[in-house]
Amino acid sequence: GEDVEQSLFLSVREGDSSVINCTYTDSSSTYLYWYKQEPGAGLQLLTYIFSNMDMKQDQRLTVLLNKKDKHLSLRIADTQTGDSAIYFCAENGDYKLSFGAGTTVTVRA
Amino acid sequence: DTAVSQTPKYLVTQMGNDKSIKCEQNLGHDTMYWYKQDSKKFLKIMFSYNNKELIINETVPNRFSPKSPDKAHLNLHINSLELGDSAVYFCASSQRTSKETQYFGPGTRLLVL
Repeated sequence: GEDVEQSLFLSVREGDSSVINCTYTDSSSTYLYWYKQEPGAGLQLLTYIFSNMDMKQDQRLTVLLNKKDKHLSLRIADTQTGDSAIYFCAENGDYKLSFGAGTTVTVRA
Repeated sequence: DTAVSQTPKYLVTQMGNDKSIKCEQNLGHDTMYWYKQDSKKFLKIMFSYNNKELIINETVPNRFSPKSPDKAHLNLHINSLELGDSAVYFCASSQRTSKETQYFGPGTRLLVL
C-alpha cells in the first residue's frame, strides 16, 4: 500500500535472527499489526502492538515501535524453516487495514 | 470451530460469468470486510460493513456487489467476470470498528479464464 512500506525480500540462515522493517504514515493508528502468509495459505495474525507501546515481546517475536519516526519492526529470534513466509505490516484506519507490500522471508539451511 | 470461513476455497470460471463468494464469522463481530490480494500479493480493502451497513466502498467497480443478510455474513457477488478479477479474495471481521483487530478467513482463489 502507498501508506505502508516494507522491504520486499529477506534471506536469513536458519538459527539466525530476522528483522523485518516497516514504515507507516497514519499517526492516528491505534494498533499496528504483523500478519504472516505461508504459500497458498490465508493471513495469520502474528502479533500486534498498541500505539502507546515501544516494544512487545511474544516468545521468539519482538515488535519495536518508534512512533516519532513511524517505524515498526519485527524481529524473529532463532529463525526456523517454518518461518519462511510473506510478512505483512498493517496499520488500522477508519474501517480498513492498510497493508504494506509484504516481505518475503526465505530461510536457508 | 472456524472463526471466519469462506466458500468456495477455489473458483475457476469463464469470463463474463456471474459468481458469488460467501463469508461467515462466528465471533459475534459487528464489522466485516472484503480484501483483494492480486498476483503480486498486494492486499487492498474493497468493502467494509458495520452492522449490515456499507461503510467503505473503495473505488471498486459496481460489478462487485456485497450483501450482508445479517451481522454474521458478508457475501460478495461479482457480475460479468473479467480476467483482471483473478485474485485471492479475503473476508475478515472485527468487533465493533476496524480499530479492533481483524481476523481473516482462509481466502477464495478466483481464476477467470
